[in-house]
Amino acid sequence: SQTIHQWPATLVQPVGSPLSLECTVEGTSNPNLYWYRQAAGRGLQLLFYSIGIDQISSEVPQNLSASRPQDRQFILSSKKLLLSDSGFYLCAWSVYGATNEKLFFGSGTQLSVL
Amino acid sequence: SQKIEQNSEALNIQEGKTATLTCNYTNYSPAYLQWYRQDPGRGPVFLLLIRENEKEKRKERLKVTFDTTLKQSLFHITASQPADSATYLCALPPNFGNEKLTFGTGTRLTIIP
Repeated sequence: SQTIHQWPATLVQPVGSPLSLECTVEGTSNPNLYWYRQAAGRGLQLLFYSIGIDQISSEVPQNLSASRPQDRQFILSSKKLLLSDSGFYLCAWSVYGATNEKLFFGSGTQLSVL
Repeated sequence: SQKIEQNSEALNIQEGKTATLTCNYTNYSPAYLQWYRQDPGRGPVFLLLIRENEKEKRKERLKVTFDTTLKQSLFHITASQPADSATYLCALPPNFGNEKLTFGTGTRLTIIP
């Protein structure tokens, strides 16, 4: 069966520090991968979307970046965090090429930038 | 631009009653609509998908309707239980391009014993 791992679960970082969140998927090949952010009381905002290795689409201009060095690995990074980067970050995957695709989410990372 | 609205941020329902949540959309002609459940501090979990040519879909105590004329989906939980308390999100694909879902802000449902 497929599983998605996301870590860390909680992170407290000072403003201006770098960020690296990692997500891996097991049990499937060539998945679509996504990074979402959920601010308190807000909906899910799509940040990045990837259909394959080194194929990343950015949905929102910001100081975050994403990389996909391996088929089932998706990394969210920042060189310098801002206060506004605080939020709940979720990695998700879906079946490549499937219509009516449903998303499978990781357990999330609660990021607090202080 | 496309817009999704879930009618209320929070809904309190007495245990045993039917909970009804609403998802409205504008400037969309989605081929399908999905509903997810999200517990505090966790990622959303897929519940149901309903296609544009389906008026109703059921799964155990859950029922979803999809009215493309009204541009609305209703999500019902019958015989509600405290364990049903969670935030429920609707999600739709864009009209064009890659199928990346857009989510509503969710309705926080509390079932009162």
